Amino acid sequence: AQTVTQSQPEMSVQEAETVTLSCTYDTSESDYYLFWYKQPPSRQMILVIRQEAYKQQNATENRFSVNFQKAAKSFSLKISDSQLGDAAMYFCAYRATSGTYKYIFGTGTRLKVLA
Amino acid sequence: GAGVSQTPSNKVTEKGKYVELRCDPISGHTALYWYRQSLGQGPEFLIYFQGTGAADDSGLPNDRFFAVRPEGSVSTLKIQRTERGDSAVYLCASAGAGTPNEQFFGPGTRLTVL
Repeated sequence: AQTVTQSQPEMSVQEAETVTLSCTYDTSESDYYLFWYKQPPSRQMILVIRQEAYKQQNATENRFSVNFQKAAKSFSLKISDSQLGDAAMYFCAYRATSGTYKYIFGTGTRLKVLA
Repeated sequence: GAGVSQTPSNKVTEKGKYVELRCDPISGHTALYWYRQSLGQGPEFLIYFQGTGAADDSGLPNDRFFAVRPEGSVSTLKIQRTERGDSAVYLCASAGAGTPNEQFFGPGTRLTVL
């Protein structure tokens, strides 16, 4: 069975600095999608960034980028120039490309941004 | 509407009662997901609809949980004989065409079983 592990329950970063959130996963599939979602206190989950496993190039979205290491089954999120609005829970998620449309989420990392 | 809506936003019920949670997806979205999020945890997949049919209901924990989407839009999650362990936030997400179909989440319903 596929699993997603986030080993950092909480992280802090100074405003304007860079922070990296870790995620590892386990799967026997060769093709899949990986995601980072943000959940602010309002509870509404928002997609931050997505990575297709067959793509070697790491995805980037403005200040957000990933370090995807397929062999190590690692998928970390880097947030550059951190802003107060980045404070939230961040969840890593996995979905296979075939067979099921089930998303598997990690337990989350709470990010605090210090002014 | 502009986004996914869920009603009620909060529901308090007594152990053993029946509850219904409603999800209104984004208009035109064919895919709809239900998740359960317990305190301090990530969302746990319950069921996925493609149109009116449940394409994957492997996450429903037991036969007290049931979900419907009769016309391919609004969905209702039904929980019979509620237990205190059912207390959680229930999230709904909808998705349109595209691979993978990006999910847009609603604000959730917080269910408290006393």
